[in-house]
Amino acid sequence: AQTVTQSQPEMSVQEAETVTLSCTYDTSESNYYLFWYKQPPSRQMILVIRQEAYKQQNATENRFSVNFQKAAKSFSLKISDSQLGDTAMYFCAFMKQGSLRDMRFGAGTRLTVKP
Amino acid sequence: EPEVTQTPSHQVTQMGQEVILRCVPISNHLYFYWYRQILGQKVEFLVSFYNNEISEKSEIFDDQFSVERPDGSNFTLKIRSTKLEDSAMYFCASIAGPPGTSENNEQFFGPGTRLTVL
Repeated sequence: AQTVTQSQPEMSVQEAETVTLSCTYDTSESNYYLFWYKQPPSRQMILVIRQEAYKQQNATENRFSVNFQKAAKSFSLKISDSQLGDTAMYFCAFMKQGSLRDMRFGAGTRLTVKP
Repeated sequence: EPEVTQTPSHQVTQMGQEVILRCVPISNHLYFYWYRQILGQKVEFLVSFYNNEISEKSEIFDDQFSVERPDGSNFTLKIRSTKLEDSAMYFCASIAGPPGTSENNEQFFGPGTRLTVL
């Protein structure tokens, strides 16, 4: 079974600074997808960024980028130039390729951006 | 931009009562999911649904739960006899194509229904 671990329950960062959220996962699969979702106080789940495991290049999306280390099974999220609107819960998620099953989510990291 | 919608946003019910949570997935999507999130905990998979039948379900999805796509647009989750521990946020999600393909692997989530069981 796949498991996703987020070891930082809470983090804070000053506005405009950079923060990195950690995620590790455990799987025997070789083809899969990894995601970071943001859940603001509104509780909506919003996709931030995704990474295909077969791609060596790290995904980037504006101020968000990942450091994907397949051998180490690590998938960290870097937020540059943090903004107050980035304050949210961040969930790392794993999905096996070709499966009709769900994504597996980590426990989440609560990020607070301070003015 | 198309979005998944859910109603109601908040449902309060008495223990033992039946509830139906409603979702309208994005219109051209074919795969549907329900998740729940107990307050302060991680998001947990309940069930996936494709071609008018359950594809997979978790151990949480016991006989008290059922899903239905009654009219080609709505996707419902029914809890037959609610328990206190069913209190949670319930998220519906949908995907356009086969999950795990590179083009259609984004799950679009609805805003959730907060279920409170008293």
